[in-house]
Amino acid sequence: DQQVKQNSPSLSVQEGRISILNCDYTNSMFDYFLWYKKYPAEGPTFLISISSIKDKNEDGRFTVFLNKSAKHLSLHIVPSQPGDSAVYFCAAVTNSGYALNFGKGTSLLVTP
Amino acid sequence: KAGVTQTPRYLIKTRGQQVTLSCSPISGHRSVSWYQQTPGQGLQFLFEYFSETQRNKGNFPGRFSGRQFSNSRSEMNVSTLELGDSALYLCASSLQGASEKLFFGSGTQLSVL
Repeated sequence: DQQVKQNSPSLSVQEGRISILNCDYTNSMFDYFLWYKKYPAEGPTFLISISSIKDKNEDGRFTVFLNKSAKHLSLHIVPSQPGDSAVYFCAAVTNSGYALNFGKGTSLLVTP
Repeated sequence: KAGVTQTPRYLIKTRGQQVTLSCSPISGHRSVSWYQQTPGQGLQFLFEYFSETQRNKGNFPGRFSGRQFSNSRSEMNVSTLELGDSALYLCASSLQGASEKLFFGSGTQLSVL
């Protein structure tokens, strides 16, 4: 039962434009959300996180927005760069959870 | 500080064989968790070890097992391999548990023929 869903398997964006990656979840008890980036032949690396007490968190070009009522979060990358081309995973956990629940990932391609 | 190290990077096995994968966590990290990544399923939690004890287990058959040593290094074993076990196996370490920010290794790509 997939509790974290990334419904877009892939996304293509031009360099310099905004990339918006979406994630939906079904468990209303999730209270901590993370985004990971994965390049081929490498493990996922942590990108940014957000707690459920916030609705936005920024780190440089990356901003995560959380809409608890819609059970939706999104990752905005502005401006997008070719080096951002990777698979992005959304993950969530409850405060009593014992493991991160990951989505299936969205493959982002940033074209020059 | 060295990252999470997984060996080997690639493995090819045949059905029915067994395999052992190794993971060395970041120094000072006591929690090691394992994930299976397949193209259709994303990352799925296998189990987590902390202080040499399995604390939590995901929904995988008993053919998947693991252990952790006193230096926090961990091994994962899969017995009686099936074609469907072909996947990227990722190890992740953290200070306290598998529900916080995880640091992943590069993974072991297992192919079962």
